[in-house]
Amino acid sequence: GAVVSQHPSRVICKSGTSVKIECRSLDFQATTMFWYRQFPKQSLMLMATSNEGSKATYEQGVEKDKFLINHASLTLSTLTVTSAHPEDSSFYICSAPRGFSGSTDTQYFGPGTRLTVL
Amino acid sequence: DQQVKQNSPSLSVQEGRISILNCDYTNSMFDYFLWYKKYPAEGPTFLISISSIKDKNEDGRFTVFLNKSAKHLSLHIVPSQPGDSAVYFCAASGQTSGSRLTFGEGTQLTVNP
Repeated sequence: GAVVSQHPSRVICKSGTSVKIECRSLDFQATTMFWYRQFPKQSLMLMATSNEGSKATYEQGVEKDKFLINHASLTLSTLTVTSAHPEDSSFYICSAPRGFSGSTDTQYFGPGTRLTVL
Repeated sequence: DQQVKQNSPSLSVQEGRISILNCDYTNSMFDYFLWYKKYPAEGPTFLISISSIKDKNEDGRFTVFLNKSAKHLSLHIVPSQPGDSAVYFCAASGQTSGSRLTFGEGTQLTVNP
């Protein structure tokens, strides 16, 4: 069964509004979660690393003021797309590593959130 | 700088035959490699992984081969089934990156009945 959930699965919003996407690890704790976005027929692009209890680490070129990440608990990370514009329309996916080995942990992905900004 | 590359954007095979998906990497610090399968509008699903201390890992119809000297890995699916049709992503991580994954561009596999 699913070990990482995302909500909502699909959202359509008007330009200028903010959208919050939740990512939950269902039966394990995750001190780290990752946020990706995927454009059609392209690879997964890592946006940021969400760290429980501390600030997120953003990849180069990702605006941290636009993509707000909050990792409030060991099972929940949220991504807020602020003042969304049509170019933010994409498929957003979160993942969480499960294990204690660091680099050899298997990462589990959420089902993704399709954001469409009109 | 694409550190993980999947040079074939698509692959088409006949049901029952072998599917071979390839992946190359450039970062010698990578020591753990994974394959994910992804259907449209869904998150990737973990398939199989391999540590750099091994050169082969098998799980049912899926086998991953790692050639460290060539910085190359491949995923073999045999026999291929129509339900295997999906995009397959190769991913890598290393000691210096923790659990952060670097993904390849993906290969669309189509298995024809």
